[in-house]
Amino acid sequence: ELKVEQNPLFLSMQEGKNYTIYCNYSTTSDRLYWYRQDPGKSLESLFVLLSNGAVKQEGRLMASLDTKARLSTLHITAAVHDLSATYFCAVGAGNNRKLIWGLGTSLAVNP
Amino acid sequence: GAVVSQHPSWVICKSGTSVKIECRSLDFQATTMFWYRQFPKQSLMLMATSNEGSKATYEQGVEKDKFLINHASLTLSTLTVTSAHPEDSSFYICSANENLEQYFGPGTRLTVT
Repeated sequence: ELKVEQNPLFLSMQEGKNYTIYCNYSTTSDRLYWYRQDPGKSLESLFVLLSNGAVKQEGRLMASLDTKARLSTLHITAAVHDLSATYFCAVGAGNNRKLIWGLGTSLAVNP
Repeated sequence: GAVVSQHPSWVICKSGTSVKIECRSLDFQATTMFWYRQFPKQSLMLMATSNEGSKATYEQGVEKDKFLINHASLTLSTLTVTSAHPEDSSFYICSANENLEQYFGPGTRLTVT
């Protein structure tokens, strides 16, 4: 059974600092997703990672995937307040595109 | 990217009544859509996979007679919460796949009084 573990679950960050969120998963998968959710809102797609060694960057966020270690990281560079949100990783399971979700990382960026 | 809409965005209903939530893929066709519910400060819980032209696949523990899913066309899936109770109050989100991306609707906040 595929399980997805995110850590940390809560992260209080200082503006300007760098931080990393980790996403481990238990069995082989061909795709991993990162999403952002603001309070009271739905999910916004950040990254889709499909192959070993994949690295994608958008602004201050960079995601990478190591399929051998079954690990993805979401790296935040020089955090700003606008990045405060909950970040979820999700891993694809099976051919029907079903996703298995991590518990989310609640991120607060403080001045 | 592709757009998924949901209607209504919020609804308040009385206990014992039924509520229908619509999920539409606006600019693409989706043979498969997913229905999630999310409680405050928790992760998403997959309720069911909606398959166009066939029966939905429900996750373990989800009552299929209570949460009726209909996927009658390639752009529309509906979730009907039957005989709603206060514990059904939640944020319901649908999603649809295009290629390898999964796009999410804006969600429907259901409050049962």
